[in-house]
Amino acid sequence: EADIYQTPRYLVIGTGKKITLECSQTMGHDKMYWYQQDPGMELHLIHYSYGVNSTEKGDLSSESTVSRIRTEHFPLTLESARPSHTSQYLCASSVGVSSGNTIYFGEGSWLTVV
Amino acid sequence: SQQGEEDPQALSIQEGENATMNCSYKTSINNLQWYRQNSGRGLVHLILIRSNEREKHSGRLRVTLDTSKKSSSLLITASRAADTASYFCATDTGGFKTIFGAGTRLFVKA
Repeated sequence: EADIYQTPRYLVIGTGKKITLECSQTMGHDKMYWYQQDPGMELHLIHYSYGVNSTEKGDLSSESTVSRIRTEHFPLTLESARPSHTSQYLCASSVGVSSGNTIYFGEGSWLTVV
Repeated sequence: SQQGEEDPQALSIQEGENATMNCSYKTSINNLQWYRQNSGRGLVHLILIRSNEREKHSGRLRVTLDTSKKSSSLLITASRAADTASYFCATDTGGFKTIFGAGTRLFVKA
């Protein structure tokens, strides 16, 4: 079992609200990721981080932002949620090249914007 | 299009049968991994095969890799209802990003 935790698991919010999805890992992994996945569809990388104070945008353009102030914590924030943001958001982490970059996932945060 | 593409998109079999899923990719890779996702959950790593390996086993799982054809297959033997899930291949090209395919949805009927 991977030690990576996401909160909340489920969230329903109104349009225009600001939300933060929390993600923490206790494995000491330097690399962390956020993926967006619609039901039954592929994963899209929206943000990643090499380590503290490092953040990069992924392949899929996203209006969300991330921060990495501590190794174990990688929160994702939407300043003004819209219905198009409704999706599952998966946080993940990995050790790096030496382990084949095996990625450990959290259980996901289901966001519904009404 | 995605680096890794799974085939078939969906597969329905009876318990006890074998399930085979295929993955094709476009560029050279360092390794290829298979992940499983139960409905509404995160992904769980199943097995990794390196580019210099041709076959790997883990319990009821058998993975093959053909780098000349840029393809991999995942075989689940003697399937169980609990194997019902989506299965994703993921390719690591040596860069930072691991690229996931769209997945194969496996239904195992009891």
